[in-house]
Amino acid sequence: IVMTQSPDSLAVSLGERATINCKSSQSVLYSSNNKNYLSWYQQKPGQPPKLLILWASTRESGVPDRFSGSGSGTDFTLTISSLQAEDVALYYCQQYYSTPKTFGQGTKLEIK
Amino acid sequence: QVQLQESGPGLVKPSQTLSLTCTVSGGSISSGGYYWSWIRQHPGKGLEWIGYIFYSGTTYYNPSLKSRATISVDTSKNQFSLKLTSLTAADTAVYYCARHPYGAVSWFDPWGQGTLVTVSS
Repeated sequence: IVMTQSPDSLAVSLGERATINCKSSQSVLYSSNNKNYLSWYQQKPGQPPKLLILWASTRESGVPDRFSGSGSGTDFTLTISSLQAEDVALYYCQQYYSTPKTFGQGTKLEIK
Repeated sequence: QVQLQESGPGLVKPSQTLSLTCTVSGGSISSGGYYWSWIRQHPGKGLEWIGYIFYSGTTYYNPSLKSRATISVDTSKNQFSLKLTSLTAADTAVYYCARHPYGAVSWFDPWGQGTLVTVSS
């Protein structure tokens, strides 16, 4: 499954909303349990990726509630409702519906 | 809480074999039904999943590696390892180990800090 993120980079003012899109080449919705097998990660320079969202919309424990995930099937969105300086990072989506697990190419989020 | 730490050589020559080890602390590699993966990130680029292993030895690899990768587990040392053969400059990357918290069909969490491997003569 090919994962395509848009945009490749994004500059948003502090306090404004940031939206990152992720599209899968085939559906990652498993019909038997109605779950989307998609996660989102944040990666800061020199650090490993950090899990933010699982099942497309479930926030990982400890992740600020300004981060939210939405979407179903093949189209997904990560939204940061009010951008903070510490949110500057690379963001990746990942599908775990099938093997090989695949990631989007990443979106670089900066402050405008 | 579980922590993972990669170890291995930072520099390897072309055509040689890379050997990396991931040491798991704070929990047993053979409990909880977890799977354990290797993932790499080429400089300035995206993430590529290499393969996973279960404590029983069950493995699955990314076909993109064309059978060059082998993952093994040593439950007595609470470690799992990656061997990658026939190295080229294209294998230069940061190599991460990570856990699947929800079985084979799962996201990755936590991740190790990563180890940079450079393939160069």
